Amino acid sequence: AQSVTQLDSHVSVSEGTPVLLRCNYSSSYSPSLFWYVQHPNKGLQLLLKYTSAATLVKGINGFEAEFKKSETSFHLTKPSAHMSDAAEYFCVVTHSGGSYIPTFGRGTSLIVHP
Amino acid sequence: KAGVTQTPRYLIKTRGQQVTLSCSPISGHRSVSWYQQTPGQGLQFLFEYFSETQRNKGNFPGRFSGRQFSNSRSEMNVSTLELGDSALYLCASSLEAGGSKTQYFGPGTRLLVL
Repeated sequence: AQSVTQLDSHVSVSEGTPVLLRCNYSSSYSPSLFWYVQHPNKGLQLLLKYTSAATLVKGINGFEAEFKKSETSFHLTKPSAHMSDAAEYFCVVTHSGGSYIPTFGRGTSLIVHP
Repeated sequence: KAGVTQTPRYLIKTRGQQVTLSCSPISGHRSVSWYQQTPGQGLQFLFEYFSETQRNKGNFPGRFSGRQFSNSRSEMNVSTLELGDSALYLCASSLEAGGSKTQYFGPGTRLLVL
C-alpha cells in the first residue's frame, strides 16, 4: 500500500523568496518519488524524480528535492521564486521495482506575488 | 520531436452515451498511461499499456477501457457515461514501463457530461 500527503493546499510567496512545498509519503516497498508541475489548462511536466540513487535530486528550473527516508518526506524547494513558477504542483509515489500504479497527492497551488 | 498529442481537446456528451479519446505518444515511446483529473478526486491512474498489452489498471469500473495499437497510439473508451465522468483525461507516454519511468504528458481532453 502507498499514500502521499501534500501538507499544504496553497503556498503563497513573494517573487525572489524561497519556495518550500511539502510532501510526505508512505510505501510498503522501495518507492520512486516524483514532483510534477501543472500550469493552467496544460498537462503535467516532470520537475524531478527520485529512484534510489542520490537522495538530493536536482530538477529543472532550479527546483530540487531531498529524499529523507527516516522522515518519509520528499519536500520540493527552490531558492528564489519566479512569477512563472505560479502553478499546481503534484507529488507522486510509485513502487520503484514493480508495477506502475502511481498515487498522486492532492496538489499544492503555488502563488507568487510580485 | 513532437510531444504527446490528444484528440479531441474538448468534448461534450450526454449521460448514457459513450466516448472514445485518442492519444498519440512521442515517437519511439511504447508505454502509454491514462489518468483522470477531477476537482473532487484529484488525479487518478486509469491504466497503463506497453507494447499493446495492458500492464496495470487503477480502481475504475469496467465502463472504462482502453487499447493500444501496434504504432503505440492508444485509445480510451468510456461507455454509459455518468455525470461524474466529467473530467480532464490525461495521457502520458514513456520509453519504458515500470514504477520509475519518466513520463511526458499530453495537454488532456476535457470531457463534459450533461
